Order: sequence, then C-alpha cells, then structure tokens
Amino acid sequence: TQLLEQSPQFLSIQEGENLTVYCNSSSVFSSLQWYRQEPGEGPVLLVTVVTGGEVKKLKRLTFQFGDARKDSSLHITAAQPGDTGLYLCAGVNTGFQKLVFGTGTRLLVSP
Amino acid sequence: GAGVSQSPRYKVAKRGQDVALRCDPISGHVSLFWYQQALGQGPEFLTYFQNEAQLDKSGLPSDRFFAERPEGSVSTLKIQRTQQEDSAVYLCASSFTTVEPSGNTIYFGEGSWLTVV
Repeated sequence: TQLLEQSPQFLSIQEGENLTVYCNSSSVFSSLQWYRQEPGEGPVLLVTVVTGGEVKKLKRLTFQFGDARKDSSLHITAAQPGDTGLYLCAGVNTGFQKLVFGTGTRLLVSP
Repeated sequence: GAGVSQSPRYKVAKRGQDVALRCDPISGHVSLFWYQQALGQGPEFLTYFQNEAQLDKSGLPSDRFFAERPEGSVSTLKIQRTQQEDSAVYLCASSFTTVEPSGNTIYFGEGSWLTVV
C-alpha cells in the first residue's frame, strides 16, 4: 500500500506568517497534485507538478516536486485567514487513474 | 449547476439498512470516481468508471459495496447492510477524460455524509 505522509498534521498560525507543508512517500509518482478542502466541500485542485525538481507558483503559494518524484512541499507566504482549510497532496501512478491522497494538513490562520 | 452534484447531502441510516448515494458528474465527463473520506483523513479511492465500464474497483472495502454507471453518466454507490464503520463522507468526482496520462483536472462534488447509528 502506498502511503503519502503529510506534516505537520495541524498548523495554527497568525495572519502574515509563512509556513511550509511537507508530503513524503517512499514511492515514485508520475505526478503529484495539491488540493485544498474547506468544511462541507469537496477538495479543489490547486496545482499539478509533473517533473522532478519542478517549482510552480500560484500567487502566495509555492509548490515543489522533489527531484526523485517521491516528495513535495507547499510553501505559503504571508498567510491570510482565507488560506484556512485542509491541504491534501495526492499522487498519481503511471497507468492508473486513481489518486493516492496524503494524510492531510489542517491549517488555521487567525487574524 | 455546472459542477458535480451528489445526493443526498446527509443520510442517517440504521445499522443493517441499505443506502444508495447518487452522483451526477459534469456533463460530458468520461471518467467518474468514488472516494471515501473518514473524519479528519484524506480521501481513499473506492472505484473508477470510464463511461459505463467499471475499470477499477480495487478500493471497495467489501462485497457490501457496489457501484454502477449504467448509461455512462449518473452513478450510484450502494452500500448494503450498513455498519458503523461505513460512517464517512462519500465523494464523487469526474474528469473530462483520463487523469493519467492526459493530466485532466478532477472535479469533486460536495460529498454525501453518511452516519450509521
């Protein structure tokens, strides 16, 4: 069974702080996705990274795929209350359609 | 609406009761997925359809779980003889074609919250 471990599990910070969420696995994935899920909603795709070492930026969010395509990180600069939610990484394997989701990181940003 | 629609949003079932959860994917989407999400956890894959064909059901936890998509659009997830451990959010998702290798975006519905008492 493939596992994607996320750390930290829970993060409570003040508005304006920076943070990094990690997603680690012993398995190689063909691509990795990051989602944000708000209470009572389904996950919403933020980004897909495909190439080892790839870095993508989405406004204040920076995503990186590890060189070996086994791990990824999400860095948020100057967090805002609107960033509050459950952040999920999800791996995709070559030839398979299903997503393997990580354990999740719950982020709370207080004003 | 234009998104993935699921019903019912909330369902309370007595242990041993059968339940049926419905998913209306985005119109024209070929791929349809069901995931199970326990409280505070990441979603876990249940099953995958390409049109009406169920190509992967490796995540269904037991033979009490059954999914169908007879006409390649609407899908139903049926759980027979529900047990307390079935309590979870059941998420349906769809994508235009394949995720791998085409890289199409997967769109999730809001989920059906099932509580078995």
